[in-house]
Amino acid sequence: EPEVTQTPSHQVTQMGQEVILRCVPISNHLYFYWYRQILGQKVEFLVSFYNNEISEKSEIFDDQFSVERPDGSNFTLKIRSTKLEDSAMYFCASTQWGNQPQHFGDGTRLSIL
Amino acid sequence: ELKVEQNPLFLSMQEGKNYTIYCNYSTTSDRLYWYRQDPGKSLESLFVLLSNGAVKQEGRLMASLDTKARLSTLHITAAVHDLSATYFCAVQETSGSRLTFGEGTQLTVNP
Repeated sequence: EPEVTQTPSHQVTQMGQEVILRCVPISNHLYFYWYRQILGQKVEFLVSFYNNEISEKSEIFDDQFSVERPDGSNFTLKIRSTKLEDSAMYFCASTQWGNQPQHFGDGTRLSIL
Repeated sequence: ELKVEQNPLFLSMQEGKNYTIYCNYSTTSDRLYWYRQDPGKSLESLFVLLSNGAVKQEGRLMASLDTKARLSTLHITAAVHDLSATYFCAVQETSGSRLTFGEGTQLTVNP
């Protein structure tokens, strides 16, 4: 069964550094998402992407965050200048249509030191 | 702002028993999803509920949706240890596709 893949599985970065998290959504999917989950807390929406542009974003997704789909397969989340509070598990998700279940990747654990 | 509340947040139950997890939400929506998460793992889609009165069943789990009451339930029948996990409900507003998650219910099934 096709799946969403994310790399790396764990990223350790110094505060203030830039980090790029990578995702390969399922190939025929059209909607792409990033969510994050701080340890022990609920899953929070960051951003959705459709037709090569951001369709929704949350208040968490400020100017430090950006997303790109640089080619036909990858979907990236960049954090420009990381803060301690960015430490979390980041999940990428995709779906073919907006009202179908979103398929989640295994996540990237981001640790900011 | 959409609020999604689950209860209980922690549930410890014995094998063979039945229990229900509740998910309340604060805005009009007829799209609700249930996910399962094992520790350190991703979210696995369990059920999609897309209309008032929708009921879905898979094995020992049954989910239902009452859009008038803004309530979904996840019923566990004759629990087994393998069902131990955290269960999240997630609501999708009609105006977009983002999911707003509840806090999760951490279920432990004891032998």
